[in-house]
Amino acid sequence: AQSVTQLGSHVSVSEGALVLLRCNYSSSVPPYLFWYVQYPNQGLQLLLKYTSAATLVKGINGFEAEFKKSETSFHLTKPSAHMSDAAEYFCAVSDMDSNYQLIWGAGTKLIIKP
Amino acid sequence: NAGVTQTPKFRVLKTGQSMTLLCAQDMNHEYMYWYRQDPGMGLRLIHYSVGEGTTAKGEVPDGYNVSRLKKQNFLLGLESAAPSQTSVYFCASTHWNSPLHFGNGTRLTVT
Repeated sequence: AQSVTQLGSHVSVSEGALVLLRCNYSSSVPPYLFWYVQYPNQGLQLLLKYTSAATLVKGINGFEAEFKKSETSFHLTKPSAHMSDAAEYFCAVSDMDSNYQLIWGAGTKLIIKP
Repeated sequence: NAGVTQTPKFRVLKTGQSMTLLCAQDMNHEYMYWYRQDPGMGLRLIHYSVGEGTTAKGEVPDGYNVSRLKKQNFLLGLESAAPSQTSVYFCASTHWNSPLHFGNGTRLTVT
């Protein structure tokens, strides 16, 4: 069965520092992978998605993620954190076995220190 | 363009009461979903619909019912609310193989 593991329920970085949010997945068939962001009191919105094209995917707000099949990972990065990046980030996977329903990670809350 | 609209935004129920949450989308999407979000558990799918008049169970359907009588609306019902149903409920819609569009959520407390 598919699953998604996000390492760290909370990640704290200083403004201007590198952001790294980790996501590992399990899937027996080629997956689609997603990162969504949730700002306080709002719904989720798509940051980026991997659908078997380029392994390095660029998203909105300067975020990018790299699909590494050998490590079953899809970590999210941003070179320089901004205060406005404070939010909760969710990784999700879908594939043929899940009938393309999204399987969600538990989320990582990103805290930006001034 | 409103996108996905959920009503109400907040609700407090007593155990055993019933209520209906409404989700409306104006993007002509075929697929609609109801999720619940609980701390540390991500999103869990309650029910979903792949078209008008069709519904299917998700990961955590017990205690909930849904209806999709019109393409643009997806209703989530709680017949007899329980404290375990205290949560934030999100509706989402999409076309096939497209990103989900989420509403802003309904915060439900059952006392």
